Amino acid sequence: GAVVSQHPSRVICKSGTSVKIECRSLDFQATTMFWYRQFPKQSLMLMATSNEGSKATYEQGVEKDKFLINHASLTLSTLTVTSAHPEDSSFYICSARALGQGNNQPQHFGDGTRLSIL
Amino acid sequence: QKEVEQDPGPLSVPEGAIVSLNCTYSNSAFQYFMWYRQYSRKGPELLMYTYSSGNKEDGRFTAQVDKSSKYISLFIRDSQPSDSATYLCAMGNTNAGKSTFGDGTTLTVKP
Repeated sequence: GAVVSQHPSRVICKSGTSVKIECRSLDFQATTMFWYRQFPKQSLMLMATSNEGSKATYEQGVEKDKFLINHASLTLSTLTVTSAHPEDSSFYICSARALGQGNNQPQHFGDGTRLSIL
Repeated sequence: QKEVEQDPGPLSVPEGAIVSLNCTYSNSAFQYFMWYRQYSRKGPELLMYTYSSGNKEDGRFTAQVDKSSKYISLFIRDSQPSDSATYLCAMGNTNAGKSTFGDGTTLTVKP
């Protein structure tokens, strides 16, 4: 099955630090990758959609200068939380969709990154 | 009104029970439908993916789609404690850049 690897799984750092999270599709090429945020016992909140080689599309209310997304290849996307503060503490999950006709492929998810800002 | 409605539960059943999880949707443009399982502190895992109305079976899981009623279901037979998780429905169409997710139903299967 399609495997998405997300790293690191857990980050604890001081306020003001920038944190980079990597998302890799291991056995398929992903034209589109998605970044979600999830608070405890709440639903997935889409932050942004990125297509390989182009700028990410951010959802309303998500600061693009705060959450930098790079999708440099068909197998790698990164999310950088810049100058993180305690309110940025959350569970961040990436998702990738394989190449296919007309966006009809399902999304596959990584195992998430638990970010805690002290 | 949300495009996809899913009862959050929680739903608690005894081991061995048949579980029925459901979602309704309002966007008739949705063409494909998915069910994901999410364990605590993990990413969602794709369980079922279907493109047409009717039933699709995979082991103990059956996905059912009724496009005329805009209603999808996931049935779990002979439920096990290891099935305890949050189940998310999702749907999309070939023109959309992203899938639309339900809020998830939390299921507990008691031994």
